Amino acid sequence: GNSVTQMEGPVTLSEEAFLTINCTYTATGYPSLFWYVQYPGEGLQLLLKATKADDKGSNKGFEATYRKETTSFHLEKGSVQVSDSAVYFCALTSFGNEKLTFGTGTRLTIIP
Amino acid sequence: GAVVSQHPSRVICKSGTSVKIECRSLDFQATTMFWYRQFPKQSLMLMATSNEGSKATYEQGVEKDKFLINHASLTLSTLTVTSAHPEDSSFYICSAPAGVGNTIYFGEGSWLTVV
Repeated sequence: GNSVTQMEGPVTLSEEAFLTINCTYTATGYPSLFWYVQYPGEGLQLLLKATKADDKGSNKGFEATYRKETTSFHLEKGSVQVSDSAVYFCALTSFGNEKLTFGTGTRLTIIP
Repeated sequence: GAVVSQHPSRVICKSGTSVKIECRSLDFQATTMFWYRQFPKQSLMLMATSNEGSKATYEQGVEKDKFLINHASLTLSTLTVTSAHPEDSSFYICSAPAGVGNTIYFGEGSWLTVV
């Protein structure tokens, strides 16, 4: 079955630091890959996605590249801000299936 | 993008009572909606798939008699937690696919506390 393994947190960084949150997956077929963000007290918001190998999803300065050879979808941002403090979830869906399989989430805290 | 709205955002109920959570698609029709549950510091786990006009499909280990799902229209799915117990306290969130490529949109989520 499908599974997502995500870097364990919590992660604490200083403002303007470089961020990487690792995500690897196991899936049948050709999954679509997602990063969702959950700000304190709120629901999930789609941050970015990639639907095929070598695609790069990007949004709000965050990027992630769909690497089929390493089955990875690591999230990166060059310079984080305090407002990026949230929980980040890596997720996937298999082709034709809209059910999401989530990683365990990584809590990110950015300190001024 | 599409908008999915949940209500209530927070609810406290007494043990043994039932509580209903609504999930609405505000600007699109959703024949399918998904209900997830998130325990503290854990990931979201799919509970069931809500199908408009037919029975919901439950994931393994989810009690269908306890978590009643009704998808009576193309814009509304409801989750009713029956005979709630403190261990049902959790964050419940719904989602629905919409638009080109069936992007998944989530509601704001509902925090349930059973006392």
